Amino acid sequence: QKEVEQDPGPLSVPEGAIVSLNCTYSNSAFQYFMWYRQYSRKGPELLMYTYSSGNKEDGRFTAQVDKSSKYISLFIRDSQPSDSATYLCAMSAQRGFQKLVFGTGTRLLVSP
Amino acid sequence: ETGVTQSPTHLIKTRGQQVTLRCSSQSGHNTVSWYQQALGQGPQFIFQYYREEENGRGNFPPRFSGLQFPNYSSELNVNALELDDSALYLCASSLRQGSTYEQYFGPGTRLTVT
Repeated sequence: QKEVEQDPGPLSVPEGAIVSLNCTYSNSAFQYFMWYRQYSRKGPELLMYTYSSGNKEDGRFTAQVDKSSKYISLFIRDSQPSDSATYLCAMSAQRGFQKLVFGTGTRLLVSP
Repeated sequence: ETGVTQSPTHLIKTRGQQVTLRCSSQSGHNTVSWYQQALGQGPQFIFQYYREEENGRGNFPPRFSGLQFPNYSSELNVNALELDDSALYLCASSLRQGSTYEQYFGPGTRLTVT
């Protein structure tokens, strides 16, 4: 079993839809949770960073962490065709040792 | 733009050869990590350097080695290349300060081994 599970998609939605992306994990030591966006043949771009449980909002993006369920989510409101990319969740446990464990990524397609 | 640069963008090598990939960290960052991303997969952690010392290693064999220089630039060296080494190699820089874990990635080097 992988430490981090993520549905690879693709997830296809019309422009303006609310998108929900999710990851589950098995390692209860994970404390730091990130979402990255990766366009084709580019490096991952940090979107959201949260510590422990709770919600964090930044513009059209909201990240949620539920440590009791070992479940994290990223919501995108008013999705745009430019949001079409692969979304990677990543998490880390150890203080001072910044190893990120990634999901496989979910490919999102937003159609005009 | 993250300020992290990598070179070369793309290269093709033959099985058994050796390759060196380079990374220039974002200004002010003292930690660099290297990841391997196979097609359709998430990045896999190779190793991390902090102040020129290896600070942790993932499940990669010793033929994967690295260096970090005083100016915080870094190299990834891979010896005895295998076909399965074909992947996108990413470096990420961060500032090790307190409990921050924000890592910023470069555009990657795409390595093809034939």
